Amino acid sequence: GAVVSQHPSWVICKSGTSVKIECRSLDFQATTMFWYRQFPKQSLMLMATSNEGSKATYEQGVEKDKFLINHASLTLSTLTVTSAHPEDSSFYICSANPDYLTYEQYFGPGTRLTVT
Amino acid sequence: AQSVTQLDSHVSVSEGTPVLLRCNYSSSYSPSLFWYVQHPNKGLQLLLKYTSAATLVKGINGFEAEFKKSETSFHLTKPSAHMSDAAEYFCVVSYNFNKFYFGSGTKLNVKP
Repeated sequence: GAVVSQHPSWVICKSGTSVKIECRSLDFQATTMFWYRQFPKQSLMLMATSNEGSKATYEQGVEKDKFLINHASLTLSTLTVTSAHPEDSSFYICSANPDYLTYEQYFGPGTRLTVT
Repeated sequence: AQSVTQLDSHVSVSEGTPVLLRCNYSSSYSPSLFWYVQHPNKGLQLLLKYTSAATLVKGINGFEAEFKKSETSFHLTKPSAHMSDAAEYFCVVSYNFNKFYFGSGTKLNVKP
């Protein structure tokens, strides 16, 4: 149980276009989901907390207009990278708290974004 | 403010020898601490967690970690390394079970 999926697993887009990444909790409800970014050979950096039915909370230094987050249901959060540039190329990982298990996060497999 | 420091970016051990991956934290509150492992091209997997219960925590695959408040440490150990343990390991701190803050990671190499 407690599986988190991401789609797509890998995407290449052209500079200036927008890309949407989905994060789904497959077998549990998650009021809260999290988005992380991981640069090559680096650690994960928390970008934002996604809250179902309300606005996301962004970490300091993360552009909210650049990285749009929508938590439309208790099992789905989306991250849209708007007007992508090569420096946005990274590995994006989401995680989710099961509502019944607040002290644990389950991580998705990640989405590799390459902007050309 | 809270943070977590992994003291070694790379650790190399021989198969069958002990593993020690170091982690120190700073937190104004009583933290929750986690160790995750990331194998190449795979998602993060929880190894073990400390959430204010027993200070010696046993995890999966023979790993364990000890929470030492006086040293603000949560080092990860395993008595005998296997080749399959080669991966990247992340120490994570959270003080409200909400936001997770990751250490910089330690890449474990296991030599035959």
